[in-house]
Amino acid sequence: GNSVTQMEGPVTLSEEAFLTINCTYTATGYPSLFWYVQYPGEGLQLLLKATKADDKGSNKGFEATYRKETTSFHLEKGSVQVSDSAVYFCALSLWTGNQFYFGTGTSLTVIP
Amino acid sequence: GAVVSQHPSWVICKSGTSVKIECRSLDFQATTMFWYRQFPKQSLMLMATSNEGSKATYEQGVEKDKFLINHASLTLSTLTVTSAHPEDSSFYICSARDPLTESTDTQYFGPGTRLTVL
Repeated sequence: GNSVTQMEGPVTLSEEAFLTINCTYTATGYPSLFWYVQYPGEGLQLLLKATKADDKGSNKGFEATYRKETTSFHLEKGSVQVSDSAVYFCALSLWTGNQFYFGTGTSLTVIP
Repeated sequence: GAVVSQHPSWVICKSGTSVKIECRSLDFQATTMFWYRQFPKQSLMLMATSNEGSKATYEQGVEKDKFLINHASLTLSTLTVTSAHPEDSSFYICSARDPLTESTDTQYFGPGTRLTVL
């Protein structure tokens, strides 16, 4: 089947710390991989994505590389800010079904 | 980028009443929209796929007679929670795919509707 396993939170970091949120997946086909972010009181926003193996998605200082050999798509940021506090969801989508499979979400809190 | 709106953003209703939630694609036409349910501190669970001009496809375990979906136009899908009960209280999120964008696997999400059933 298709599923996404995401690092459990919550995660609390000090400002300017390095962030890694782990995400691994299983898929029956060749998925596209996504990271979505949900700020408090808001809907999901696409943060970055990668559509094939070895692609690197990046946005707002966040990066994630599509690793087919380890079936992973870990999210990283070199220096987090207070404004990065949010819930982060890893997701996959298969071309054949358009359906998204989401991880359980990781809550990140960045303290000054 | 593409924008999806939802209305209302929050609603409180009495048990036994029905509630309609609208999902609109504002600057693109969406032949397919998706409805998700998100429980507190949990992930999104796909409820159904809404297809313009045809019946919705429901995920296993979702009562189609309770969660009525209508996709009457290329920019509007509605979810009606019929005879709502407190256990239906949740955050409902819709998404839509813009078939004309280069990356057809990307979905755009609405801001969500918070339903509270008393």
